[in-house]
Amino acid sequence: NAGVMQNPRHLVRRRGQEARLRCSPMKGHSHVYWYRQLPEEGLKFMVYLQKENIIDESGMPKERFSAEFPKEGPSILRIQQVVRGDSAAYFCASSPPGRRTGYYEQYFGPGTRLTVT
Amino acid sequence: SQQGEEDPQALSIQEGENATMNCSYKTSINNLQWYRQNSGRGLVHLILIRSNEREKHSGRLRVTLDTSKKSSSLLITASRAADTASYFCATARDYKLSFGAGTTVTVRA
Repeated sequence: NAGVMQNPRHLVRRRGQEARLRCSPMKGHSHVYWYRQLPEEGLKFMVYLQKENIIDESGMPKERFSAEFPKEGPSILRIQQVVRGDSAAYFCASSPPGRRTGYYEQYFGPGTRLTVT
Repeated sequence: SQQGEEDPQALSIQEGENATMNCSYKTSINNLQWYRQNSGRGLVHLILIRSNEREKHSGRLRVTLDTSKKSSSLLITASRAADTASYFCATARDYKLSFGAGTTVTVRA
């Protein structure tokens, strides 16, 4: 059973370009979470999605950031017009379906390291 | 503010010794989880302890949870060089995990 997959693993973008980060959850998992990790810090929650639904995007910056989890295909975290401060590691996690999702561990992907030059 | 805060920030021990790190949090939780992160890599889930549990073991890991003090501890016994990593506690409230800044553990051979 493959784990959570993220690609690309490393992404370099110039200021003003767009960054697209992809996440394929573990097989059978229908909940996806995105986190951002700045250097020397812990992970910060960004957004929680289920298929075709954004459940909680309270951790997402209001501008330039968007996320989706379509019916088919991976979840996408999109950052428009990137700035240097967007440089970070972006982790995706998934968990199995269930009413009490807070009781399940989240399985993390290897992350995408975004560098904005 | 961050929900989980680990203490100490860094820990250096000799191979074979035990390593203990602590985590404090502020609000009520469903469960608390510990993760390991090797340098530049993703997070590996180590152990989950539910709010109604007080202690849990997994191999060389022992986790305690004291909800009255809003604190948890992770003990790694008989440490190995491969245990060198950053360790994070994450408090879960509903679906949201809140991470601390982590404890960096270095195990010297």
